[in-house]
Amino acid sequence: GAGVSQSPSNKVTEKGKDVELRCDPISGHTALYWYRQSLGQGLEFLIYFQGNSAPDKSGLPSDRFSAERTGGSVSTLTIQRTQQEDSAVYLCASSPRPKGYQETQYFGPGTRLLVL
Amino acid sequence: GESVGLHLPTLSVQEGDNSIINCAYSNSASDYFIWYKQESGKGPQFIIDIRSNMDKRQGQRVTVLLNKTVKHLSLQIAATQPGDSAVYFCAESGYSTLTFGKGTMLLVSP
Repeated sequence: GAGVSQSPSNKVTEKGKDVELRCDPISGHTALYWYRQSLGQGLEFLIYFQGNSAPDKSGLPSDRFSAERTGGSVSTLTIQRTQQEDSAVYLCASSPRPKGYQETQYFGPGTRLLVL
Repeated sequence: GESVGLHLPTLSVQEGDNSIINCAYSNSASDYFIWYKQESGKGPQFIIDIRSNMDKRQGQRVTVLLNKTVKHLSLQIAATQPGDSAVYFCAESGYSTLTFGKGTMLLVSP
């Protein structure tokens, strides 16, 4: 079946511009996560959506970052006024089980963001 | 081997050898563990998981061993192939979301 998809696969932008990254989770998965991965580093948690509950935004690094999930499916991560330190791979994952319930997270291919 | 939070180590093996990648975890309450494989330019791919009521689980060419006494997890890859070259990282969960290690890079020479 179809896995998690993300778009665009690569994004080059200028410092100060806004960017939107999209994630299509696996159909039927209620949990959706966004992570950031810098070169050679581990996964940095950003935000978690579970069904219709309020999202867990505890990992967002600044108020320039926001995300929404429409209709319990597609999610968009928005970075406003991008900075060079925002350059990273942004990964989306979905899971059929909520956080903390031995959930297996399935990842998309990521969006590689480069801020010039 | 790796520990959640340390810099990325590298394991170099010859094609056909068996590979063992290690992971130490710190949360004794963790009850679920996953190994992921991440190839260059791709997202992490689920390989195998194990729950804390088990100490060994086998998949196709891969075996995960769990030693709860010393909080240690390992991934064994049999007959390693060049296509196995990637970063491998473990993740642990115990009543909270998965916590990911930074990974071990596996390099397989033909």
